[in-house]
Amino acid sequence: GAVVSQHPSWVICKSGTSVKIECRSLDFQATTMFWYRQFPKQSLMLMATSNEGSKATYEQGVEKDKFLINHASLTLSTLTVTSAHPEDSSFYICSTIPGQTYEQYFGPGTRLTVT
Amino acid sequence: DQQVKQNSPSLSVQEGRISILNCDYTNSMFDYFLWYKKYPAEGPTFLISISSIKDKNEDGRFTVFLNKSAKHLSLHIVPSQPGDSAVYFCAASPRGNQFYFGTGTSLTVIP
Repeated sequence: GAVVSQHPSWVICKSGTSVKIECRSLDFQATTMFWYRQFPKQSLMLMATSNEGSKATYEQGVEKDKFLINHASLTLSTLTVTSAHPEDSSFYICSTIPGQTYEQYFGPGTRLTVT
Repeated sequence: DQQVKQNSPSLSVQEGRISILNCDYTNSMFDYFLWYKKYPAEGPTFLISISSIKDKNEDGRFTVFLNKSAKHLSLHIVPSQPGDSAVYFCAASPRGNQFYFGTGTSLTVIP
């Protein structure tokens, strides 16, 4: 199946700093990538849809100035959590749909801990 | 508002028996449904899907049933194996534009 990677897998940062998470499609071109976050024992919540070469589409309630998404190439999308706070601590997962079906392939996720 | 619901947070099944995971949705615009398996600290892995034009889709030990009138789908795993122990998410989509996930059901298969 399609391979999606994320880096880093775990990051710990101090409150007020910014953290960048990378999502790469390794063997296909991804014009669209999705960014999710998951709190413990909760569902995956779609944050935004990242489109190559254009602005991301954010879901209601997600601050676009806080969660900066850049999809500069067909294989790379980045999520930057700006001025992170402890409540931003979560599991962030990216995904993409490589083919003609609606089957998403997910990255392994990035655990962000803000102290 | 949770448009996709998995009302059972956990399920335990004996090895070799059938596991049935349930999912309900509220939005009649959903026309594609998927099941994912997830281990802790990993991204979900696609398992099986079904479109709204079907009521059943089978792939090996996994079968998904869709009841559109009841807005209900289920995932059957038979026979269940210890390696199936994980959290299972159902997801629904209106034409692939957005994906809405349930809260997950943690399956434990007892050897």
